Order: sequence, then C-alpha cells, then structure tokens
Amino acid sequence: DIQMTQSPSTLSASVGDRVTITCRASQSISSWLAWYQQKPGKAPNLLIYKASSLESGVPSRFSGSGSGTEFTLTISSLQPDDFATYYCQQYNSYPTTFGQGTKLEIK
Amino acid sequence: EVQLLESGGDLVQPGGSLRLSCAASGFTFSSYAMSWVRQAPGKGLEWVSVISSSGGTTYYADSVKGRFTISRDNSKNTLYLQMNSLRAEDTAVYYCAKGGQSGAIRVGFDYWGQGTLVTVSS
Repeated sequence: DIQMTQSPSTLSASVGDRVTITCRASQSISSWLAWYQQKPGKAPNLLIYKASSLESGVPSRFSGSGSGTEFTLTISSLQPDDFATYYCQQYNSYPTTFGQGTKLEIK
Repeated sequence: EVQLLESGGDLVQPGGSLRLSCAASGFTFSSYAMSWVRQAPGKGLEWVSVISSSGGTTYYADSVKGRFTISRDNSKNTLYLQMNSLRAEDTAVYYCAKGGQSGAIRVGFDYWGQGTLVTVSS
C-alpha cells in the first residue's frame, strides 16, 4: 500500500498568512493526488484534484503543486474560514490512502 | 444539485451486522464510481470500499475485506454497504462519496454525504 505522510501535523498561523502543507507519498503516484478540507462535524470538501487542478467553486487562494512523491497545498492569504483540517489522498492505485491530516489553527 | 444521503447507522453489538444505504440525486448515478470512507471518532479518514459505475469492479480495504460488501442499484440511484462480523474498531462515521470523473474508478471524491454513525459496542 502507498503511505501518505503529511507535515506538519499541526500548523498555527494568522489571518493573512501564506501557509504551505506538504504531503509525501511512499512511492510515485504521478499527479494522482487530491486535497480536502474538513471542518468539525462536517464531511470533507474537495479543494484540489490531479495535484494542481482547482475544484470548481474553491477560492483561488488555494493552490496545489507537485508530482511523483512530493506535493504541496498552499493557501496564499489565510481567511478566517480556512481554519480546518486538511487531508491529502492518493488515487494512483487501490487501496486509495489518505494522509493523517494537518490541523490549521489560529495563532 | 448533487445530494448524497446516508442512512442505516446504528448501535450494534460486536459480531453483529448492519446495512448502510446512500441515496443519490442530482447527477447520473450510473456513470460514476462510488466509495465508502469512514472516520473513527477524533481520527483521520480511512477509505473502506469502492464500486465501479456498472458495479462490475469492487475493491476493499484489508481491514474490512471478507466482512463488508459494497453494492449498488443503479435503477434506484442507491449505494449500499453490507457490514458483517462487526468489531469495536469499525466504530466510525461512514461517508459515501462520489467519484470525480465519469466512468473512472481511480478518482478523487468530489461530493460527500453528511455521514451516518456506526457504533459497535456491547
């Protein structure tokens, strides 16, 4: 199975900050990577697919990059609504696997 | 508007069975792979199973293989998860999720239901 490792596990930041979350795959997954945002008590929400494609309706301050084994999710200017937990997911092969999550907290 | 509505979650004893359903609307259900993803209390996301658009291909996580069965009824726009031999570690919110590309099974999930809680405890 492909292991997905996110860093950091927790990130403290302020409104207006630029933040980056990293996701590493244990083997190459080409660009078959998605990013999700999840708020407490809610279902995850797709932000990015195929590593860098922005899902319809997602604000342009979110962007994704990378290929192979290393990927990043960047939020260019944090807004209050962005404080949540973020997950990466590889769908290069089954079982599809998620990272352990990165909790973005208000500093 | 795409809607996914799960039902069937409940409190069940270890070794028991449960069937979850996910009623879909707002898209051509028969064209998309569907998955179940679960989340134990306070934990991360764990993929459980996927079924192709036609129902002819299924995959399972090792943790549920041989105990859970995914199926779909395209005439009823409904996805199912039959859960047998339930264990305490199966306790979680179970989400159904729609594949993000028509006809593809290796996909991200562009829509999720609100989840249904399964609690396995004596």
